[in-house]
Parts: sequence; C-alpha cells; structure tokens
Amino acid sequence: ETGVTQSPTHLIKTRGQQVTLRCSSQSGHNTVSWYQQALGQGPQFIFQYYREEENGRGNFPPRFSGLQFPNYSSELNVNALELDDSALYLCASSLAGVRTDTQYFGPGTRLTVL
Amino acid sequence: LAKTTQPISMDSYEGQEVNITCSHNNIATNDYITWYQQFPSQGPRFIIQGYKTKVTNEVASLFIPADRKSSTLSLPRVSLSDTAVYYCLDTNAGKSTFGDGTTLTVKP
Repeated sequence: ETGVTQSPTHLIKTRGQQVTLRCSSQSGHNTVSWYQQALGQGPQFIFQYYREEENGRGNFPPRFSGLQFPNYSSELNVNALELDDSALYLCASSLAGVRTDTQYFGPGTRLTVL
Repeated sequence: LAKTTQPISMDSYEGQEVNITCSHNNIATNDYITWYQQFPSQGPRFIIQGYKTKVTNEVASLFIPADRKSSTLSLPRVSLSDTAVYYCLDTNAGKSTFGDGTTLTVKP
C-alpha cells in the first residue's frame, strides 16, 4: 500500500464523452504525475502538477487536462473521448525538491471507451 | 526524457538469482536510475534507485558502472511471486519515461 488512492476503479464511457479521474496523494507529497498505460505497454507520462500548476507535459493533446488542489489531490480530465483512450490511468505522488524523486503509484483507474 | 532499453522477457526458476540489465544510452547528468516492479492491473511499485556504483536494499541490488550507460537489477533467490514486469527508468524531478519493461516469469 502506497497511500495513493484513485477513483473510480473502473469506468466505461462512450466515444465523444468527457471523463474526470481523481487521485489523492500520499501524505506529505506535493507533486502529482499522471500516466496512461495501454495494454501490454509501459506507462506513458501525461503531465505533472506541482503547487497547483502544470509542471511538465508529455506528448498528449490539449483535451487531456488536469487540476491540482491545495490539499495536493488531483484530477485528470479527458474531453472528446476516443477509442484509443481506453487504458489504465495511473497517478503517482512524490515530494518536489528531492532529487531522489521516488514516485508512489496508485492502483489506477481502468477506463474503457466504447 | 530518455527512454531506456531492456530485454522483453526473461525466465527463471525459484531460488535462482536473476539479473536484468538495462541500457541508459541517453541518460543525463542529473538523472537517477530507478527500477519499478508492476503486477497486472496494479500501479508500478518502487524497487530501488541509484546514481552510480552499487546500491542494496532488502529486496534487490542495483549495479551501475562508472559511465552510467547501463544498470543491472539483481534479485536474489526469486520466488513465484516475483513474476512481474520490471521497468528501468532515467528519472529527474519526478518525471520519468517508461519503456515496455522486462516480463520476468519465475517457474517452480
């Protein structure tokens, strides 16, 4: 158990819809990163949030957006869902300012787009 | 962020020592080398991290040569529960690029 929680566990949406995924960081961590993991592949970095602002982004379109709240919890929003968005979405928390930036991952949200 | 290279799969037997090697051809000066373990439908779990030379913890050892272009994760006396995907990463300030990992299968 890492202390990072995500909700919901599973979600089914249809193409074109919007989805919001939620993540609560491990206690004491101020940075949250989001990853997309397609079946059989490694996690792909979407973006990172620190002090409620985006602090780095991977190769994902603007319809992937996020928020970080004052309590360091975070949301991932995906608009205009496409079939290829079906994946396991992982959030990871860490403590900024520490070079040995160990990330602690949550269990993920399994999103299925039909 | 640099992407690492590692074998797609490895097989081992219970009780054996397993060494998984990773290439870090584009590692940056400030990057650390980190290894994660992932079971199906779970998030990756931190195993070990180092900058150079050798690091050991209660579950694994990590060997990093002076040029830092490779790393070797050593798992002593594996058990069936060590069957998982293992990822090596170059990490810096919480940003990481995962490759496709090495699927380790431990047989009885």
